[in-house]
Amino acid sequence: GENVEQHPSTLSVQEGDSAVIKCTYSDSASNYFPWYKQELGKRPQLIIDIRSNVGEKKDQRIAVTLNKTAKHFSLHITETQPEDSAVYFCAASYSGGSNYKLTFGKGTLLTVNP
Amino acid sequence: GAVVSQHPSRVICKSGTSVKIECRSLDFQATTMFWYRQFPKQSLMLMATSNEGSKATYEQGVEKDKFLINHASLTLSTLTVTSAHPEDSSFYICSARDAAERDGYGYTFGSGTRLTVV
Repeated sequence: GENVEQHPSTLSVQEGDSAVIKCTYSDSASNYFPWYKQELGKRPQLIIDIRSNVGEKKDQRIAVTLNKTAKHFSLHITETQPEDSAVYFCAASYSGGSNYKLTFGKGTLLTVNP
Repeated sequence: GAVVSQHPSRVICKSGTSVKIECRSLDFQATTMFWYRQFPKQSLMLMATSNEGSKATYEQGVEKDKFLINHASLTLSTLTVTSAHPEDSSFYICSARDAAERDGYGYTFGSGTRLTVV
C-alpha cells in the first residue's frame, strides 16, 4: 500500500518568514495530494491540493509543488502569521479500486512566533 | 458546502461497554465513508472504509468484531466500539466521499469524537 513520509515533524519560524514542509510517497499510482491543517481537537481542514497532472498550485500565501518523478510534494507558506500555527498533514490518494482512500503523513507541528 | 455531522463530540464510557458514533452527510450522498483513529500528537490512521449497502473493508490490524461499521444508507454511517477498553480511548473521525464528485476527490470530514474509556 501507499506510504507517505513527512518532514520535519516540528517547525518553528518567526512571523513573516516562510515555512516549507516536505512529503514523499511510495505509490506511483497516487494522483491526488491534499494538504490539511488541523488545530487541536478539531477536524482537518483542506488548505490546498494538487493533482498529478499539475506541477505547482498557488493560493495566496500557500503553494504546493509536485515532482512526480521523484515522488515528492511540498507545502510552502509565505509571510507566516501566528494563526498559521497548527499541525499540517500531507496525504496521498490512489484512485485505483474506486475507493480513493487517503494515506496521511505523520504531520508537522508548525509554530509561528510573533 | 458539504457538511458531515458527527455525534457525539465527546463520550466517556466504562470499560466493557459499547459506544456508537454516528456520521451523517447533511447535503450530499456519501458513497464511501472512511473511519480514522487519531491518538494524541499522531496522524490520522485509517481504520476502515465502508460503502453504502456493503460490508466495510478493514485495514490490517483493525479488529472487525471490535469496531463494527454500518453504512446502511447514503447519508448515515455508524462506528460501534464494542467492549471498549482504556486503550481504545482516542479521537475518532469520519470522512465522507461525495458520490457526485466525478473525479472522486470530494472528502468531507466530520468534527470528530473524543472517546475516553474509564
